[in-house]
Amino acid sequence: DAKTTQPPSMDCAEGRAANLPCNHSTISGNEYVYWYRQIHSQGPQYIIHGLKNNETNEMASLIITEDRKSSTLILPHATLRDTAVYYCIVYSGNTPLVFGKGTRLSVIA
Amino acid sequence: EPEVTQTPSHQVTQMGQEVILHCVPISNHLYFYWYRQILGQKVEFLVSFYNNEISEKSEIFDDQFSVERPDGSNFTLKIRSTKLEDSAMYFCASRMTGYNEKLFFGSGTQLSVL
Repeated sequence: DAKTTQPPSMDCAEGRAANLPCNHSTISGNEYVYWYRQIHSQGPQYIIHGLKNNETNEMASLIITEDRKSSTLILPHATLRDTAVYYCIVYSGNTPLVFGKGTRLSVIA
Repeated sequence: EPEVTQTPSHQVTQMGQEVILHCVPISNHLYFYWYRQILGQKVEFLVSFYNNEISEKSEIFDDQFSVERPDGSNFTLKIRSTKLEDSAMYFCASRMTGYNEKLFFGSGTQLSVL
């Protein structure tokens, strides 16, 4: 079972920042926080991952709280093409990636 | 960016028939996976494969399923006798190393069992 809790759905206005929360209160020291997304029925797409420091790449930013029990994925300027299901996954690399139900983000024009 | 390629994109079969789903992982990747997603449900892990053998499999991956890497490029999933409940999107994935490397997914094969 997934070790994370995410809201089932969120809306965001086009051009605004989308902030997607994730709780992972049972995360252990060697587990990373990964984010993937799935646009319609396509294969999941890697977005970003981090251990304890905040991370940024060309797609998004990842903010991890100091106690590592929660994190937020930030899409700085959401577009209609960012409409997707976003999955927050805690992962150590020793076991397969396990997907939960994720957050369905709808970007609205 | 390199891609995982899956063929066919759609496969229709009769119940009881054998199907083989094909995948070409990214060329320098060493770890290979199959996942499936029944319509409206979660993406579910089926099996992982490394060094020419299964490294882990889920409860879903029973004796009706098998995987093979017949040559240096292809990675196949075979279902011996398909059931209606095998209807799903099947995703192949690969990555370079086994530890904290991002997983690349293919675009999937939609399997419909009639």
